[in-house]
Amino acid sequence: DQQVKQNSPSLSVQEGRISILNCDYTNSMFDYFLWYKKYPAEGPTFLISISSIKDKNEDGRFTVFLNKSAKHLSLHIVPSQPGDSAVYFCAAKVENRDDKIIFGKGTRLHILP
Amino acid sequence: GAGVSQTPSNKVTEKGKYVELRCDPISGHTALYWYRQSLGQGPEFLIYFQGTGAADDSGLPNDRFFAVRPEGSVSTLKIQRTERGDSAVYLCASSPGRDQETQYFGPGTRLLVL
Repeated sequence: DQQVKQNSPSLSVQEGRISILNCDYTNSMFDYFLWYKKYPAEGPTFLISISSIKDKNEDGRFTVFLNKSAKHLSLHIVPSQPGDSAVYFCAAKVENRDDKIIFGKGTRLHILP
Repeated sequence: GAGVSQTPSNKVTEKGKYVELRCDPISGHTALYWYRQSLGQGPEFLIYFQGTGAADDSGLPNDRFFAVRPEGSVSTLKIQRTERGDSAVYLCASSPGRDQETQYFGPGTRLLVL
């Protein structure tokens, strides 16, 4: 049973517009969430994270929103740039433990010129 | 600074053979993780080391899989009697430990079992 779900396998967005990637989780024990970005033939690269004590975390063009009651989070990229084309993984873990990360299946983002 | 490195980058082997995959974590990182990524899936946890000891090996699929980290730095993932279903990208990650959240991934080893 998938504990972290990314229901959109792919997403296409015009350059300069906002990209919104969605993620749902089922395990209420999760209280720390991460987004990783992956280019072909490379390992996942950490992008941004959020603790469950917050509902928003912003870093430059990237903002992550967390809705705990809905067990839903989203990653907003604005403005979208060509270099943002990659696979984005949503991931979750229990905070303050050196513990495994549970990943979603990923969403492939295409930024269109 | 140097990131996580993994060797080999690609490995082709025959069904039934033994393989070893190596991971060099970021210097000073006490926590080391192995994940496996199959086509169309996200990385799936295999095993986690804190120092030299395996703190959680609940993700290892069966007893053909084994990993060591004898000196608390480099780790080797060992797969015996490989099967075609073992074909995947094997990812290693490290983190500073001390409850630091972010895990830093290597480029992975792409294993193909023929």
